[in-house]
This record gives sequence, C-alpha cells and structure tokens, in this order.
Amino acid sequence: AQSVTQLDSQVPVFEEAPVELRCNYSSSVSVYLFWYVQYPNQGLQLLLKYLSGSTLVKGINGFEAEFNKSQTSFHLRKPSVHISDTAEYFCAVSDGGSQGNLIFGKGTKLSVKP
Amino acid sequence: GAVVSQHPSWVICKSGTSVKIECRSLDFQATTMFWYRQFPKQSLMLMATSNEGSKATYEQGVEKDKFLINHASLTLSTLTVTSAHPEDSSFYICSAAHRDATNEKLFFGSGTQLSVL
Repeated sequence: AQSVTQLDSQVPVFEEAPVELRCNYSSSVSVYLFWYVQYPNQGLQLLLKYLSGSTLVKGINGFEAEFNKSQTSFHLRKPSVHISDTAEYFCAVSDGGSQGNLIFGKGTKLSVKP
Repeated sequence: GAVVSQHPSWVICKSGTSVKIECRSLDFQATTMFWYRQFPKQSLMLMATSNEGSKATYEQGVEKDKFLINHASLTLSTLTVTSAHPEDSSFYICSAAHRDATNEKLFFGSGTQLSVL
C-alpha cells in the first residue's frame, strides 16, 4: 500500500526567506508524485507533478521539487517566499496507472510573516 | 483554467437528516470524479471514484449505503450523506478528472464543511 508522510504540520518563515516542505512516500510500485496548494476558502490547485524524466520538477509560482528515489522523497522548495504563499500544501502520490486516485499527506501549513 | 464548483460550501444539519453535496465541472466534461473526506488535522482520504453512467467504486471502509454517489451527467456528481450523524461531520472535497490525448489533470472543488448536530 502507498502512503505519504509530510513531516512538518506547520512551517513559519519570514518573507523572502527560502523554504523547504518535506514529503516522503512509500510504495512498492512506480509512482506519480504531486504537490497541491490550498489557499483559504479555495479548492486545491496543482503546483507541480513528477511523472517521469528529469527528477527536478518546476511548478507554478516559483516552486520546484526534486524526486529522490533512493530516499523516497519529493521535497518542495522555493528560494524566496512571499506573503501570498501563505497556504496549506499537500503532497500526494498515485500509482503508475492513474493520476486520479491520489493518496494525500496530512498537509503542511506554510505561514509567511513580514 | 478548468473550474470545479462544489456546493454548498458549508452546511449544518440535524442528526438523522440527509445532506446532498454537488460537484460540477463548469467548462469541461468529466467522466470521472472523486470524493474525499478530511477530518481535522488528518489527510484527505479518498472515499469513492464516481464514473459517469455507472456505479461508484467505494474505498474500503466507506459505507456505500450511507454515502450515495450519483454521476448522472458528464458535468455533475452528487454525494448524499444519508441519515447523518455527528461522526459524519467532516470536510468533503470533490475533484474532476480532465483528460485529453496526452494528459490527465485533476481539478478540485473548494470543499464542503458538514457539521451534524
């Protein structure tokens, strides 16, 4: 069975600081990996995804993530955050057969302070 | 981009009543929609996969007679929580799969907070 662990439930950072949101997964099969963002009172939006190919994936709003198969990780990074990045971030995994059947982590709440 | 509308955004009901939640894909046809539930401080858990014109596929541990899913058209899926009880209070989110020749993307509704008194 697949599972996703987001190690930090909350991450407070100051504006313009770098940030890394951690995500580890477990799976016995090849996987697709995703990061979603949920702004207050809005639905989840896809930030980026890894399906195959280059292990460094660039997404929207300046975020990127690196797939590390040996460490079974897919950490999300941004070199300089803005106040508007304050949101909840979810890591998710699906098996190689479908991008729709997702297993989510518990989420990490990113709070960017001025 | 594609939009998924979910209504209502929040609902309070008495124990024993039924509540219907709608999920609409506004500018694309979705043959597959998904329903998730999120308890406080927990991850989103897939409840069921809804396929247009056929019966939904429920995840293990989800009561299909309690959580009725109807996907009668390519743009609408509904989740009805029947005879709701306080333990059904949760945040429910739907998503719709948009597929083209080369890609599949999920678009999420904004969720429904259900509180059962």
